[in-house]
Amino acid sequence: SQQGEEDPQALSIQEGENATMNCSYKTSINNLQWYRQNSGRGLVHLILIRSNEREKHSGRLRVTLDTSKKSSSLLITASRAADTASYFCATDETGAQKLVFGQGTRLTINP
Amino acid sequence: GAVVSQHPSWVICKSGTSVKIECRSLDFQATTMFWYRQFPKQSLMLMATSNEGSKATYEQGVEKDKFLINHASLTLSTLTVTSAHPEDSSFYICSAVKATKDTQYFGPGTRLTVL
Repeated sequence: SQQGEEDPQALSIQEGENATMNCSYKTSINNLQWYRQNSGRGLVHLILIRSNEREKHSGRLRVTLDTSKKSSSLLITASRAADTASYFCATDETGAQKLVFGQGTRLTINP
Repeated sequence: GAVVSQHPSWVICKSGTSVKIECRSLDFQATTMFWYRQFPKQSLMLMATSNEGSKATYEQGVEKDKFLINHASLTLSTLTVTSAHPEDSSFYICSAVKATKDTQYFGPGTRLTVL
């Protein structure tokens, strides 16, 4: 069953603006990962943050993790039209060795 | 790198037929492979976990007799949708890991349409 909830479900912004997506989960985790999926395509791994980490950066991406609130956020700075996609968080539950995906956020960057 | 391929990328079949989807790790040996299903505008749902040489572990609600998984080697897992029906139409995605608790590498997906 899905344990992740993402917020918002859909986000539409202008090119150049920042986009923030949030993810909440329910159980203890080893790590949390963010993926991007273009329409009808496979998943692209963006970033992994471990349970003992609070923030991680990769290029224009910034991910935070708050294990006390069981939540994470993905910030994309200076958005581009090519960032238009669906973004999913996925948690690696402690001891489960499987990923549980959130519902996803559909991000649209308007030129 | 860690490349995972799927074949076919799309398939259309008649109701009642069986369809086999292959998932291959091209440049690494995968201890474990996962199969997911994704309906339009929805998230990925894990169907089953397969380890080479052993029976797959299915998630609750997934019929193991309908979705046959064979993980015959460290680089190949197959998913066979038996007696497919229109409600089985979906996007099927596999992933593979090099070692326990490692990052999952995803294939490009297979779109199945059952008429």
